[in-house]
Amino acid sequence: DAKTTQPTSMDCAEGRAANLPCNHSTISGNEYVYWYRQIHSQGPQYIIHGLKNNETNEMASLIITEDRKSSTLILPHATLRDTAVYYCIVRVPFSGYQKVTFGTGTKLQVIP
Amino acid sequence: NAGVTQTPKFRILKIGQSMTLQCTQDMNHNYMYWYRQDPGMGLKLIYYSVGAGITDKGEVPNGYNVSRSTTEDFPLRLELAAPSQTSVYFCASSSNDIPHEQYFGPGTRLTVT
Repeated sequence: DAKTTQPTSMDCAEGRAANLPCNHSTISGNEYVYWYRQIHSQGPQYIIHGLKNNETNEMASLIITEDRKSSTLILPHATLRDTAVYYCIVRVPFSGYQKVTFGTGTKLQVIP
Repeated sequence: NAGVTQTPKFRILKIGQSMTLQCTQDMNHNYMYWYRQDPGMGLKLIYYSVGAGITDKGEVPNGYNVSRSTTEDFPLRLELAAPSQTSVYFCASSSNDIPHEQYFGPGTRLTVT
């Protein structure tokens, strides 16, 4: 799995867009970018994934640079419930043994 | 869809007792996983299953057993509980199609004293 680098922590005002960056400069052509988050004491939650194109779902948008060396997760209107640790993972989507390895992630604090 | 459900939410065991953590998913996923997460630490894979009747060990299987008799259920059995098994246990399942993203249950917080 390619190594990822994320800021340790970020603050965002409630109602504003939260933009969480992830650097994955060694990503290979068949590796996907996945984002998960873990709200305190809860199970990790899948957010979104992408390969090359930008993606959007009901939770967030994922912007991947053209060279695929970095990406940004966007929460368009952050709420207090979005306070969590966000993890960027880059890996080839094997079937079978697919342990999800979370790094240190970005602790996002949404401020009222 | 309820997604991945786990029972119980909390449990306190005495050393040497046994218990089964239940996990059920209603997404018809073939792949299921059991993780443990110690305080402030990342996830460690205990066991996983690629389909009914097929299970295999992960990183930390000692002290645990699993079975997978149906697609929906993947129970984790703790035999002879030890304080080192105090942890939060998460069950997960992943989609059958690429990119196999994983969906996690709410967790079972287990304390062994």
